Amino acid sequence: EVQLVESGGGLVQPGGSLRLSCAASGFIFSNFDMNWVRQAPGKGLQFVSYISKKSSTIYYADSVKGRFTVSRDNAENSLTLQMNSLRDDDTAIYYCARESFGGTYSTFDVWGRGTLVTVSS
Amino acid sequence: IQMTQSPSSLSASVGDRVTITCRASQTVGRSLNWYQQRPGRAPILLISASSLLQSGVPSRFSGSGSGTEFTLTISSLQPEDFATYYCQHSYNTPPENTFGQGTKLEIK
Repeated sequence: EVQLVESGGGLVQPGGSLRLSCAASGFIFSNFDMNWVRQAPGKGLQFVSYISKKSSTIYYADSVKGRFTVSRDNAENSLTLQMNSLRDDDTAIYYCARESFGGTYSTFDVWGRGTLVTVSS
Repeated sequence: IQMTQSPSSLSASVGDRVTITCRASQTVGRSLNWYQQRPGRAPILLISASSLLQSGVPSRFSGSGSGTEFTLTISSLQPEDFATYYCQHSYNTPPENTFGQGTKLEIK
C-alpha cells in the first residue's frame, strides 16, 4: 500500500524549533518529488516546500524562507522539514505529499494524514 | 499566478447538480487539478489536467476548462460529497499560491 506517515508535530513556544518527518512506503521514494503543504486551523491549503528527487531543486514559500529547511534521505525513504524560529502563524497541520507528473502537468497524488504543529506560549 | 474559487461556500441538497469555478490570474493551460477534503481528513486528488478523473472517483464528478477558467461539476450530490474542494495549478514553478482558497460544500 502506498503510504506517507508524518510525525514530529507538537506544541512549541514562539521562536522554538521542531523537526517533522515523513516516512514513505509502498513506492519507490527516490522516483518522486515531494512537497510539504500546511493548513492552518479553519483555513485552506498552503504550499510550504518542494524538493526534487535527488534534492537538486528546492523551493520554499516566502513565508517560511530562511526559517524552514527541507531535506530527504532516499536510502531511508524519508522526508524531513526542519522548522526554526517558529511563529504563531506557523500553527497548522503539516502534510507531506507526493508529486507525480503526467507530461505537462503534475499532481499531489498521495498525501499523509498530517501532523499538527502548535506554536504558542 | 493567483487562483480564485467561487463560490467560497455553497449549500445544496442530496441529488442536486453543483458547479464550482476556479479562475487563474493568467493562463495555466490545462494544468489544473481538483482535490476533495472531508473534515478531519487529508485532501484526495479527484481530477487532474482539468478533466482526467482519477481511478476510483465516481463518475458523477467531472472537470472542464482551459486557460484561465475551470469548473468542477458534481452531477448528483451524494451525502459523502459534502466537503471542501480545492483547485490547484501546476503550470509553473515555484508553486507559491498554487491552491485556490477552497469551496465548502454544505448540506442545505
